[in-house]
Amino acid sequence: GAGVSQSPSNKVTEKGKDVELRCDPISGHTALYWYRQSLGQGLEFLIYFQGNSAPDKSGLPSDRFSAERTGGSVSTLTIQRTQQEDSAVYLCASSPYGRARSPLHFGNGTRLTVT
Amino acid sequence: GQQVMQIPQYQHVQEGEDFTTYCNSSTTLSNIQWYKQRPGGHPVFLIQLVKSGEVKKQKRLTFQFGEAKKNSSLHITATQTTDVGTYFCAGDQGAQKLVFGQGTRLTINP
Repeated sequence: GAGVSQSPSNKVTEKGKDVELRCDPISGHTALYWYRQSLGQGLEFLIYFQGNSAPDKSGLPSDRFSAERTGGSVSTLTIQRTQQEDSAVYLCASSPYGRARSPLHFGNGTRLTVT
Repeated sequence: GQQVMQIPQYQHVQEGEDFTTYCNSSTTLSNIQWYKQRPGGHPVFLIQLVKSGEVKKQKRLTFQFGEAKKNSSLHITATQTTDVGTYFCAGDQGAQKLVFGQGTRLTINP
């Protein structure tokens, strides 16, 4: 079956522009996570959705970052007025159940480069 | 906030040598998961440990969860070149999110 799909796979944008990253989770997975991974670094938690609601937004780095999920499925992560420090790989993951007690299935990520 | 520390950050071994990475949490974890990320790839789930003192094996990989549920380890016996990658632990404090360690990057000299 299909895995987690993220688009675009690569995005180059100019500083100050807005970008939108998309995640299509595995069908039926109720939990969805966004992480950020800078080059050679670990995974930084951004936000978690259970269904369409986001009980934990604590990881969003600033108010330039926002995310939504609709229909309990597709999620978009929006970064407004991008900065060079936003350059990273943005990883989306889904899992069948919430409460972080089931394995996360990751997408291939979106590599964002801010010039 | 919750932190999950992982050491070492890097490990280079000769093929056939053993490898161990350690994970420590500042708080008690309800479970711990381990992931492997190949170079250029995304993290892939390896295993989940839930019980205090639990030990699980997958071929040459041995995973342990500490008695206090604050630490964990992954040991690879007789490494092979296919083991190259970064190994991450991830802990759940019951906060509905998985906090990842910084990862241990394993490189192997054939």
